[in-house]
Amino acid sequence: AQSVAQPEDQVNVAEGNPLTVKCTYSVSGNPYLFWYVQYPNRGLQFLLKYITGDNLVKGSYGFEAEFNKSQTSFHLKKPSALVSDSALYFCAVRDIDDYKLSFGAGTTVTVRA
Amino acid sequence: GAGVSQSPSNKVTEKGKDVELRCDPISGHTALYWYRQRLGQGLEFLIYFQGNSAPDKSGLPSDRFSAERTGESVSTLTIQRTQQEDSAVYLCASSLDGTYGYTFGSGTRLTVV
Repeated sequence: AQSVAQPEDQVNVAEGNPLTVKCTYSVSGNPYLFWYVQYPNRGLQFLLKYITGDNLVKGSYGFEAEFNKSQTSFHLKKPSALVSDSALYFCAVRDIDDYKLSFGAGTTVTVRA
Repeated sequence: GAGVSQSPSNKVTEKGKDVELRCDPISGHTALYWYRQRLGQGLEFLIYFQGNSAPDKSGLPSDRFSAERTGESVSTLTIQRTQQEDSAVYLCASSLDGTYGYTFGSGTRLTVV
């Protein structure tokens, strides 16, 4: 079985400050990890993924995430948040031997000017 | 096409009616997924198609839900005798082979009144 936890329903930060969205996962084997962003009335947009290799993954719009196997975490980070980063963020995982992608409940990010 | 296309984008239906939702995956993508997103919640897996293999229907919530896909092309999700709790956004995603990236459509917002 696989699962994802996003412990924070909401994250509020001021523009220009660092942004972190937390994600922990559980899989029986090795994970493939993903972050998606959803703007109002839009579909999910891919941000970044971890498959293998460097634990620090860089993605779209200045976002990055660090895979930490010992802590089973894949937190999303951005050094300097923009108001336009305000959206709903989803972490997702699949086991390397599976095909089903499991999503967290999502974290609403609000960046205030 | 360039992306995953879903139609209709919005559907309002009366309780008890049947509805059919359509997904056009990216050309050449063998894997296709349907997810449901209820208001304020995460994504719930419904069904997975991979090439000509038997689909994984384990996420379908009841026998009122069914889905078809012909080969590696269009998929339709059918909900019979709709109920108010079926109101949600239904998202379709396709992937080249079910391993790496998943591209999502913009979804169909279903409202059962």
